[in-house]
Amino acid sequence: GAVVSQHPSRVICKSGTSVKIECRSLDFQATTMFWYRQFPKQSLMLMATSNEGSKATYEQGVEKDKFLINHASLTLSTLTVTSAHPEDSSFYICSAREGGAANTEAFFGQGTRLTVV
Amino acid sequence: AQSVTQLDSHVSVSEGTPVLLRCNYSSSYSPSLFWYVQHPNKGLQLLLKYTSAATLVKGINGFEAEFKKSETSFHLTKPSAHMSDAAEYFCVVTPGGGNKLTFGTGTQLKVEL
Repeated sequence: GAVVSQHPSRVICKSGTSVKIECRSLDFQATTMFWYRQFPKQSLMLMATSNEGSKATYEQGVEKDKFLINHASLTLSTLTVTSAHPEDSSFYICSAREGGAANTEAFFGQGTRLTVV
Repeated sequence: AQSVTQLDSHVSVSEGTPVLLRCNYSSSYSPSLFWYVQHPNKGLQLLLKYTSAATLVKGINGFEAEFKKSETSFHLTKPSAHMSDAAEYFCVVTPGGGNKLTFGTGTQLKVEL
């Protein structure tokens, strides 16, 4: 099946710094990618939908200036956590679908464990 | 609007016994339904999906699920649990014509010797 690669898998940063997470579709083109946040022992919460060549669509309650999303090509979306604080520590997961149909499988990255100290 | 309810947050079974993970959904449109598995600190892997074809769907690793429209259910089953099945399982719905996934709260499956 298709592969979505997410990097880095783990990152520790200091409060006030910014962290960039990359999500790549390795063998297919993804016009749309999704960014999720997962708290311990909880489900995935959709943060935003990343659209190639246009602005991301953020879910209610997600600060777009805090979580910057760039989808510069059909195979790469990035999430930048700006001015990170300890409460931003979480597991972040991206996903992409090959084609836009509702019945197509979503492929997920391996996730990024962010720890802000 | 669409939603997914996973009725059990934790399920514990003995190795070799059947597995049942329950999922109920609501959707305004003909939905597509998925089951994903997540091992600790890993991404999600697709087990199976329902897309308005056969109502009994077979997936990987011996899992299957049956779409029951009258009960708005999509329960996941496996005849015989294996230790490697221990993981978190998510039921996911997406409406017909849309691409946004809605996740259930997850079921933690524990398999004991």
